[in-house]
Amino acid sequence: QKEVEQNSGPLSVPEGAIASLNCTYSDRGSQSFFWYRQYSGKSPELIMSIYSNGDKEDGRFTAQLNKASQYVSLLIRDSQPSDSATYLCAVNVGGGFKTIFGAGTRLFVKA
Amino acid sequence: DVKVTQSSRYLVKRTGEKVFLECVQDMDHENMFWYRQDPGLGLRLIYFSYDVKMKEKGDIPEGYSVSREKKERFSLILESASTNQTSMYLCASSFARQYEQYFGPGTRLTVT
Repeated sequence: QKEVEQNSGPLSVPEGAIASLNCTYSDRGSQSFFWYRQYSGKSPELIMSIYSNGDKEDGRFTAQLNKASQYVSLLIRDSQPSDSATYLCAVNVGGGFKTIFGAGTRLFVKA
Repeated sequence: DVKVTQSSRYLVKRTGEKVFLECVQDMDHENMFWYRQDPGLGLRLIYFSYDVKMKEKGDIPEGYSVSREKKERFSLILESASTNQTSMYLCASSFARQYEQYFGPGTRLTVT
């Protein structure tokens, strides 16, 4: 059973701090990795995708991928209360259509 | 902007009823997906479709069926609703060779 594991949290950080969210996956053949943000009562929204080892930056968000360690992370710089949400790590498996989602990490940013 | 819409935001049905959930996307996406989301279990794939009239079972297809007669529309059918199918149902779509998925607003189904 291919898996995606995340710490469920909650992760609490003060406003302005860096929030670090982590994810591990079991399928060594995975090539595509995603972070989704889900506000309470809403549906997931794609915020980052990463396909190559290393860092990918988009505004205050940085996704990091290490395929050798089967590890994906999301850094949120200058965290804002509006970043408070559940963050889902998602991994495309087997190069096909199927994407497996982690259960999510709840993030609270305290003003 | 990608728009994925679902037929209902909230739905209450009785045990044994046949339930239809409909999803429509306006971005000409080839792939469409149905998930259910339960606390602590995350998103679980029920069915997906990569083309009109094509479908593949996901991880939890039991008790569900799907229909895709048109490219933009993907329906989830609960043949005989049961209380353990009470959940949030999410539809998503994506282009054929891109795996970024775009989600609809979700349908919160309660089966009593």
